[in-house]
Amino acid sequence: SAVISQKPSRDICQRGTSLTIQCQVDSQVTMMFWYRQQPGQSLTLIATANQGSEATYESGFVIDKFPISRPNLTFSTLTVSNMSPEDSSIYLCSVGGQLEAFFGQGTRLTVV
Amino acid sequence: RKEVEQDPGPFNVPEGATVAFNCTYSNSASQSFFWYRQDCRKEPKLLMSVYSSGNEDGRFTAQLNRASQYISLLIRDSKLSDSATYLCVVIPYDKVIFGPGTSLSVIP
Repeated sequence: SAVISQKPSRDICQRGTSLTIQCQVDSQVTMMFWYRQQPGQSLTLIATANQGSEATYESGFVIDKFPISRPNLTFSTLTVSNMSPEDSSIYLCSVGGQLEAFFGQGTRLTVV
Repeated sequence: RKEVEQDPGPFNVPEGATVAFNCTYSNSASQSFFWYRQDCRKEPKLLMSVYSSGNEDGRFTAQLNRASQYISLLIRDSKLSDSATYLCVVIPYDKVIFGPGTSLSVIP
């Protein structure tokens, strides 16, 4: 199993600003995943973050809007850049793969 | 076609009822399958894995049909505490794909 500490748990931000979300894992993992869950929707994969290489983004998500860092095997950050109200959502980091996925507690972002 | 699709729901059932959720997936190379449960304002938590032979955990039974690319979850004797959103999860290779979720409300 893996324990993930994600912060901040929530934030209210002004449009046009940026927010960086951090995830710390209690063990070394090869891949970390970042998801977005918009109100009433399921989880949508934003990108896969590998240590030592650029993140792989899913269709509809770009690096300029959601830059990701993965400096080591236990840590990753996701930045939501130049925010607009449409970015209001829950953002979750995740680790795991074939057997199970583990999640951070989520960051509830409101953009005003 | 979406990679993972589920019954739209919501399902509103009385306590003690039996309810079944269905899920289909498009990638025939998918190797691992799960049902996750998500309570309101919480992160998803693993409910159970789904095996080809079918598996049961108490009141919960999961089935996998690889030929039809279909997964099911059966909940017997529903409890109020079963009220949640149930997410079908499929893992093709190293990517975790979530279905849209089915909302269940168990009514007293």
